[in-house]
Amino acid sequence: QTVVTQEPSLTVSPGGTVTLTCTSSTGAVTSGYYPNWFQQKPGQAPRALIYSTSNKHSWTPARFSGSLLGGKAVLTLSGVQPEDEAEYYCLLYYDGVVVFGGGTKLTVL
Amino acid sequence: QVQLVQSGAEVKKPGASVKVSCKASGYTFSNYAMRWVRQAPGQSLEWMGWINTGSGHTKYSQQFQGRVTITRDTSANTAYMELSSLRSEDTAVYYCAREGYGVDYWGQGTLVTVSS
Repeated sequence: QTVVTQEPSLTVSPGGTVTLTCTSSTGAVTSGYYPNWFQQKPGQAPRALIYSTSNKHSWTPARFSGSLLGGKAVLTLSGVQPEDEAEYYCLLYYDGVVVFGGGTKLTVL
Repeated sequence: QVQLVQSGAEVKKPGASVKVSCKASGYTFSNYAMRWVRQAPGQSLEWMGWINTGSGHTKYSQQFQGRVTITRDTSANTAYMELSSLRSEDTAVYYCAREGYGVDYWGQGTLVTVSS
């Protein structure tokens, strides 16, 4: 069974930069896994941020960016705002099947 | 604007079935696949399956194979997810989500509580 792993929790100061990673138990994450990133706040549905590694939706703030680095999918938040405190999930595609990561709880402190 | 509106919360007894609907608006329904995802309390997101809303072809997660059925009614722009043989561990919020530019739009979620 494929497992997608994220950091369970991270803490960042307002105005700082933080990097969240997403790894696959099958090996290096490549663009062929079409990494997606989502933000979820308590009591809300997930909100899409990034698709196909680095593409932003029209509503995605400019401070969010996606990339691949060292065999991982990466979500970078630059100039973190208090409202960025949330749970972040990555998703990878495996030949018609998708697998979510366990989520990263981001605290802005 | 794209909207996915799901049916209301359900309370079911163990062994029963539940059917959740997801009505789409603001785009051509049959041009985009629909995925179903669930989230148990305090847990991560879990993919259940998806449907090609044009052809009706489905693919299910192995974890739910045999218990989940995803269908659609193109005349009503609505997708459905039915889960059978419910057990307490199926208590969760169930989401539909459009496969457009990645998984882009999500429904508001439907809480399904399984309790005797």
